[in-house]
Amino acid sequence: DAKTTQPTSMDCAEGRAANLPCNHSTISGNEYVYWYRQIHSQGPQYIIHGLKNNETNEMASLIITEDRKSSTLILPHATLRDTAVYYCIVRGGVLTGGGNKLTFGTGTQLKVEL
Amino acid sequence: EAQVTQNPRYLITVTGKKLTVTCSQNMNHEYMSWYRQDPGLGLRQIYYSMNVEVTDKGDVPEGYKVSRKEKRNFPLILESPSPNQTSLYFCASRPIVGRGTQYFGPGTRLLVL
Repeated sequence: DAKTTQPTSMDCAEGRAANLPCNHSTISGNEYVYWYRQIHSQGPQYIIHGLKNNETNEMASLIITEDRKSSTLILPHATLRDTAVYYCIVRGGVLTGGGNKLTFGTGTQLKVEL
Repeated sequence: EAQVTQNPRYLITVTGKKLTVTCSQNMNHEYMSWYRQDPGLGLRQIYYSMNVEVTDKGDVPEGYKVSRKEKRNFPLILESPSPNQTSLYFCASRPIVGRGTQYFGPGTRLLVL
């Protein structure tokens, strides 16, 4: 799986958009970008994933650059409940060793403040 | 409600006393997995199961056993717990087919004295 690089921490004002970057310069053509978050020792929660096109769901938007070497997760109107560690994960779309396990790095600690 | 449940949520035990952490999912998922999370080490996969009666080792299987007799259940067994197994444990599940995402349980915090 391609390695990802994320900032250690970010702050965001409540009500503003939170833009969380992720670099994955070694991503290969069949690898997807997944985003999960973990709110203080709770189970990780899936947010969104994409291959090459931008994606949007009720939680967030995912912007993937044309060369696919980086992506940005956007929380359009961050709230205090969005304070969490956000993980960017690159994973192949087909089953490989480990049964398609997810490899979580250290992620970005997002702190949303009043 | 679609969910993954784990029991117990918190457990304090002593070295050598066998314990089982249960995991159950109601989404008819084929794939289930156990992870442990430790400070500075992220989540590491312990065991996984692609379907009933099919299990395999993850990255850190030593000291753990699993079984998959039914599709919905995937218990994690510590035959002789040791202090280095003190950790936060997560069970996860997902469907085999398609670009499924993993659904995680709420976690079990284990302290082995």
